[in-house]
Amino acid sequence: KQEVTQIPAALSVPEGENLVLNCSFTDSAIYNLQWFRQDPGKGLTSLLLIQSSQREQTSGRLNASLDKSSGRSTLYIAASQPGDSATYLCAVRNSNSGYALNFGKGTSLLVTP
Amino acid sequence: NAGVMQNPRHLVRRRGQEARLRCSPMKGHSHVYWYRQLPEEGLKFMVYLQKENIIDESGMPKERFSAEFPKEGPSILRIQQVVRGDSAAYFCASSPGRDVYGYTFGSGTRLTVV
Repeated sequence: KQEVTQIPAALSVPEGENLVLNCSFTDSAIYNLQWFRQDPGKGLTSLLLIQSSQREQTSGRLNASLDKSSGRSTLYIAASQPGDSATYLCAVRNSNSGYALNFGKGTSLLVTP
Repeated sequence: NAGVMQNPRHLVRRRGQEARLRCSPMKGHSHVYWYRQLPEEGLKFMVYLQKENIIDESGMPKERFSAEFPKEGPSILRIQQVVRGDSAAYFCASSPGRDVYGYTFGSGTRLTVV
């Protein structure tokens, strides 16, 4: 059974800092890994998707890496802004067990002005 | 393009009542997925449907819960005889095909059972 863990659970940083969010998973037989953003009372916004054969993906100030063998992914946010404040979710789809995404509990990020 | 539409946004039901949650996928998407987010928990997969077919319901509780995606109209997640433990946010996602590359999530329905 795939277990996805995100560390830290909460993070508060001043505006402008670079930061790293961590995601680990127990079963390395994954199809892909996806990072989402969730704002309070809102749905999920897909940020980056990394296929199992890829090492990283970049979009603007966001960079996600994947180390499948060690069961880890990181989301790097450069030059953080107050608008980045949200909960960031990591989700893994296994390669051998259907269509479900296995989510971590998320990292709640607060960027202060 | 209106995205994935879920309604109602908030739903309050008394214990023992039925709850019906609706999800209209994005235009052109024929695959729908339901997830549940319990307080302080991560999102959990419930069911995956295509038009008129349930593909994977491995995450659905065995009793009181059912889902459908008819040929016409939205997908419906139905919870009969609700209990307080059903209080959660229910999210729907849609995709144009089986691969989750095209996942788009709705804003969710927050169910409160009193």
